[in-house]
Amino acid sequence: NAGVTQTPKFRVLKTGQSMTLLCAQDMNHEYMYWYRQDPGMGLRLIHYSVGEGTTAKGEVPDGYNVSRLKKQNFLLGLESAAPSQTSVYFCASSIAAQETQYFGPGTRLLVL
Amino acid sequence: AQSVSQHNHHVILSEAASLELGCNYSYGGTVNLFWYVQYPGQHLQLLLKYFSGDPLVKGIKGFEAEFIKSKFSFNLRKPSVQWSDTAEYFCAVNDPNSGNTPLVFGKGTRLSVIA
Repeated sequence: NAGVTQTPKFRVLKTGQSMTLLCAQDMNHEYMYWYRQDPGMGLRLIHYSVGEGTTAKGEVPDGYNVSRLKKQNFLLGLESAAPSQTSVYFCASSIAAQETQYFGPGTRLLVL
Repeated sequence: AQSVSQHNHHVILSEAASLELGCNYSYGGTVNLFWYVQYPGQHLQLLLKYFSGDPLVKGIKGFEAEFIKSKFSFNLRKPSVQWSDTAEYFCAVNDPNSGNTPLVFGKGTRLSVIA
């Protein structure tokens, strides 16, 4: 039982490049989330999903897209990376919106 | 919408000192409350949670939190901190007015414990 895993752990991009971050969970959770964490800003919700095939915008969705084609996976895409997207990205999942969220180990992204 | 305030941004304590971190939220009703801890370089882990029942909740590593409904608060406490408690602590609360919206997280309090 791996819980929540994220791929990759670390990535360097040049401005304008694209990439996809993968989040996978093996707990059969309906809800999945993508956050970014920046110094002094806490956790900010980018997008979330309430079930397979659904997505919803969070607090800071601009510049990101997501997909939830399978229940266990939640993909975060950056179509054209910008230096302002340099951050640590965390994925999380939960049984329901009001329940405990379980976090992945994070992806550190540097955009030059 | 629900909001969460953690008034202390950075707390510095000596080992064996007592700890209390504040957490206040804006909307009452049936709230679920959480404290998460993030050790340096790691991801967030659940420290404790309150859904109902005894408002004094005990979590891992000697932490506890008290839910005071009248004050919209859920403060985290530990009688005697250790160096290993150095971490960032996040409070989170649900939005009782919306069943599908995610938990709302506070901006975190960084705790530094010095020898």
